[in-house]
Amino acid sequence: NAGVTQTPKFRVLKTGQSMTLLCAQDMNHEYMYWYRQDPGMGLRLIHYSVGEGTTAKGEVPDGYNVSRLKKQNFLLGLESAAPSQTSVYFCASSYGTSGGQETQYFGPGTRLLVL
Amino acid sequence: AQSVTQLGSHVSVSEGALVLLRCNYSSSVPPYLFWYVQYPNQGLQLLLKYTSAATLVKGINGFEAEFKKSETSFHLTKPSAHMSDAAEYFCAVSDQRSHSGGGADGLTFGKGTHLIIQP
Repeated sequence: NAGVTQTPKFRVLKTGQSMTLLCAQDMNHEYMYWYRQDPGMGLRLIHYSVGEGTTAKGEVPDGYNVSRLKKQNFLLGLESAAPSQTSVYFCASSYGTSGGQETQYFGPGTRLLVL
Repeated sequence: AQSVTQLGSHVSVSEGALVLLRCNYSSSVPPYLFWYVQYPNQGLQLLLKYTSAATLVKGINGFEAEFKKSETSFHLTKPSAHMSDAAEYFCAVSDQRSHSGGGADGLTFGKGTHLIIQP
């Protein structure tokens, strides 16, 4: 099993450009998450999905959109990138809720630089 | 709202010495607590988690943590540090309420502690 994979690994954007980050998991997990990691800030939840066709906002959703058309994929979109979105983005997945005690499995991350 | 505080953004210990990484949480309902480790340029990997069974939890690589409700703490320890333990460590909290539709799903992370091992 590949686990959780993310594409691309690194990207440089200019302000105002758009892009989509792809997350894929082969563990048949129901829940998927997008986090961003900034120095000294830990990880913060952007959006999450509790199943195919469903998405919800997390702590820092502004400037991002997501889609979950297939159970194994979770896409994160930036419609008009801003320098404040320079970050490392992590995708995670878990089987589904058991009251919040389930382990989340993380991808290797995507480094995004917005100039 | 739940929150996590990790005391010390950087902790330095000698190889073979005790490792102690501190984590305090805030939650109005019984929490689930996690420690994750992040090696350079990699994703996060679960070390251990507390899910209301035993208060002393053993994880991978010789790490363990003890849940102390009276102190709202979940500190991570390892008796003898190894050079390979050098990494970033994150404490995280989740609770049942967040998974019943009452709020944001996912984990709430602390800001992380960078563990440095001196030879």
